[in-house]
Amino acid sequence: QQPVQSPQAVILREGEDAVINCSSSKALYSVHWYRQKHGEAPVFLMILLKGGEQKGHEKISASFNEKKQQSSLYLTASQLSYSGTYFCGTAGSGGNTGKLIFGQGTTLQVKP
Amino acid sequence: KAGVTQTPRYLIKTRGQQVTLSCSPISGHRSVSWYQQTPGQGLQFLFEYFSETQRNKGNFPGRFSGRQFSNSRSEMNVSTLELGDSALYLCASSFEGGYGEQYFGPGTRLTVT
Repeated sequence: QQPVQSPQAVILREGEDAVINCSSSKALYSVHWYRQKHGEAPVFLMILLKGGEQKGHEKISASFNEKKQQSSLYLTASQLSYSGTYFCGTAGSGGNTGKLIFGQGTTLQVKP
Repeated sequence: KAGVTQTPRYLIKTRGQQVTLSCSPISGHRSVSWYQQTPGQGLQFLFEYFSETQRNKGNFPGRFSGRQFSNSRSEMNVSTLELGDSALYLCASSFEGGYGEQYFGPGTRLTVT
């Protein structure tokens, strides 16, 4: 089941904040966040594991609500370089750990 | 460390032909996952290989297959190409698979005419 991301698109001015949400109907073991710029490969931003462990970039923060199977990515004091499409990828537990199912993406545009 | 490399970067094939794409993971990574990206369907999981064994498989027809070698390099093969197979094919490597971060290669842009 594909996770659902919201909003689908966001337009910000430099310095503004944004929150991107990712929601799944299935029990999750981990949530992965990626950013993809046009014509480029997705770049790893953050991974959140069941139990609270997080790994990722210092300037990126995210949360993972295990009870609700939801994750949120917080982009603060946005910069022009934050523009791109953000994807969340979810992985279940057990044998499906290597299978990431991605949401449809959230397009973020940061304007000067 | 060198990143994930994929070859070729661009490919044009005719309907009915077959194609093989190659992925070299980051040194030390044992898991390689393959994804298909299209404007309509987004990023879709094809399969994952870990230590030469297919560990997970997505919902793609049997025309899509893959393998992994002892040096962790991976190949995916698509037989009897269809127009709908036109897409960006991405591979991602990881040390641990889904428990750890995945690093994507630049992708192979496949066009089927």
